[in-house]
Amino acid sequence: DTGVSQNPRHKITKRGQNVTFRCDPISEHNRLYWYRQTLGQGPEFLTYFQNEAQLEKSRLLSDRFSAERPKGSFSTLEIQRTEQGDSAMYLCASSLETGSSSGYTFGSGTRLTVV
Amino acid sequence: KQEVTQIPAALSVPEGENLVLNCSFTDSAIYNLQWFRQDPGKGLTSLLLIQSSQREQTSGRLNASLDKSSGRSTLYIAASQPGDSATYLCAARLSGGYNKLIFGAGTRLAVHP
Repeated sequence: DTGVSQNPRHKITKRGQNVTFRCDPISEHNRLYWYRQTLGQGPEFLTYFQNEAQLEKSRLLSDRFSAERPKGSFSTLEIQRTEQGDSAMYLCASSLETGSSSGYTFGSGTRLTVV
Repeated sequence: KQEVTQIPAALSVPEGENLVLNCSFTDSAIYNLQWFRQDPGKGLTSLLLIQSSQREQTSGRLNASLDKSSGRSTLYIAASQPGDSATYLCAARLSGGYNKLIFGAGTRLAVHP
């Protein structure tokens, strides 16, 4: 297992366009998380899945954002009608939760630039 | 509301020094605390995970301690090297069924030869 994989690594898009990011977690991990990080700040929680169920969404996740995790494997994060304020690093993480936590493993992130 | 603060925000030291990075959190009811390293433009690499029942964890030249009662964690880096230059982030996970990490803003470390 090579860890958490995110694609693409970089995305430049024009304001108003839709973008979709993909995350492939560690295969045996049952939880998957999305975070957003802006320059000079720590990551901020967006949403998380337990298997295929989306169990929590941050108020940062406006109605332009949607995340899915079909079949409890990979996940996608879509941003519709992108705005310049959406420019950030989008990080995916996974963990194994079985009474105790394995801790989070993060991917390399997708850097989004909206021009 | 859990808030995590990291001090100092930036640190520049000569190679070979022993370092202490500080992390404080406002809510002592944490499930665990995790330290990460982030290189510029990259994702996060997990360094150490301390469960709430533990006092410290060690990995190589790194040692992290946790004091829940005072709301503090420290990351000790022994014999620093230029390759240690990065941003170090701490993140607290609350107990009671919460499933998200609350991050500090990080400490930017530069180790010069």
